[in-house]
Amino acid sequence: NAGVTQTPKFQVLKTGQSMTLQCAQDMNHEYMSWYRQDPGMGLRLIHYSVGAGITDQGEVPNGYNVSRSTTEDFPLRLLSAAPSQTSVYFCASSYEGGNTEAFFGQGTRLTVV
Amino acid sequence: GENVEQHPSTLSVQEGDSAVIKCTYSDSASNYFPWYKQELGKRPQLIIDIRSNVGEKKDQRIAVTLNKTAKHFSLHITETQPEDSAVYFCAAGMDSSYKLIFGSGTRLLVRP
Repeated sequence: NAGVTQTPKFQVLKTGQSMTLQCAQDMNHEYMSWYRQDPGMGLRLIHYSVGAGITDQGEVPNGYNVSRSTTEDFPLRLLSAAPSQTSVYFCASSYEGGNTEAFFGQGTRLTVV
Repeated sequence: GENVEQHPSTLSVQEGDSAVIKCTYSDSASNYFPWYKQELGKRPQLIIDIRSNVGEKKDQRIAVTLNKTAKHFSLHITETQPEDSAVYFCAAGMDSSYKLIFGSGTRLLVRP
């Protein structure tokens, strides 16, 4: 049981490039989410999903897209990277969403130059 | 939407002393309040949580208290040890929402 797995762990992008951060979980959780962590800002919710085919916006969704085609996978896409998207990104999954424990992946450190 | 404020942003204590971190939330419908610990370079991990039907919960040296009227909750760590040094996050969630909203974090340093 690997839990929540994110790839890559580190990434450097040039401004304007696109990329996809991968997230997979093997706990059969319906609820998955993406957060970004910036110094002094805590963990801010980008997008979340309550099941395959269902996604919604969080606190800071601009510049990011998500989709959920399977229960296991929840990729985060940066369409045109900007320096303001330099951050550490965490994927999380939980059994029942906002009222149960969230299990986090190991994080992706993204730098946009 | 829900907003969670956390204080202080940094906290330095002597080993063996107690540490208290406080959070306030805005949405009275929130009923789930977890605390996460994040060690340097690691992922956040749940250390304790409390639900709105409980005023206090303890787990060894860690306790959380909840005041629903005032909409604030606190993390108490007693007999602090150097391995307690980390960033701690509070969060608020509710049954009717799929969102878990986090505070801005507290960096705790326990001095040997």
